[in-house]
Amino acid sequence: QSVLTQPPSVSGAPGQRVTISCTGSGSNIGADYDVQWFQQLPRTAPKLLIYGGSNRPSGVPDRFSGSKSGTSASLAITGLQAEDEADYHCQCYDSSLNAWVFGGGTKLTVL
Amino acid sequence: QVQLVESGGGVVQPGGSLRLSCAASGFSFSDYGMHWVRQAPGKGLEWVAFIRYDGANQYYPDSVKGRFTISRDNSKNTLYLQMSNLRAEDWAVYYCAKGSISWLPHPESWGLGTLVTVSS
Repeated sequence: QSVLTQPPSVSGAPGQRVTISCTGSGSNIGADYDVQWFQQLPRTAPKLLIYGGSNRPSGVPDRFSGSKSGTSASLAITGLQAEDEADYHCQCYDSSLNAWVFGGGTKLTVL
Repeated sequence: QVQLVESGGGVVQPGGSLRLSCAASGFSFSDYGMHWVRQAPGKGLEWVAFIRYDGANQYYPDSVKGRFTISRDNSKNTLYLQMSNLRAEDWAVYYCAKGSISWLPHPESWGLGTLVTVSS
């Protein structure tokens, strides 16, 4: 059972917009610790997609955006492309556990 | 560019030990904290250990505390993970990751990983 809760799967057609939620608690997202999102293409290592809740590293398309509200964070992907098909993981720090924690991951399928 | 190359994975029996290494290049290794993160087959990511840039402090989740030890040799640009008393649930791909520059460094750049198989 992950500390951060993500839906196991989401799907969308090319060109559509999808969102992936990440629900935490008052000791992690709700405590205002930064939220990161990682993209993991099939059979590859994770890649940083969003950091500090809403910042994109250089090279990440602006189709990817992050937001936060209360104890939850969200990743939005607009203009869905086939190459976006991957697993997406959220990550935060938890002050109760004194640990960096991850969500269980969400598999995005492009229909 | 940042390059992280893990090695040392393999098959080990329950109760056994293994030491992983991570060779770093493309950045000033001694300036950054470093993480180990693992991923069991078909599962999500799990943080395993963090060490500050100078090696002065190490952090672990309860699941590995007392069994795993993270260390670094800044003169060799190398990160280590000594794993002992291995259990079936430690079976995973182990990634090393460069920490960000922040007071709670998050994993930033990742290596390709090394597979640890715990089986009799």
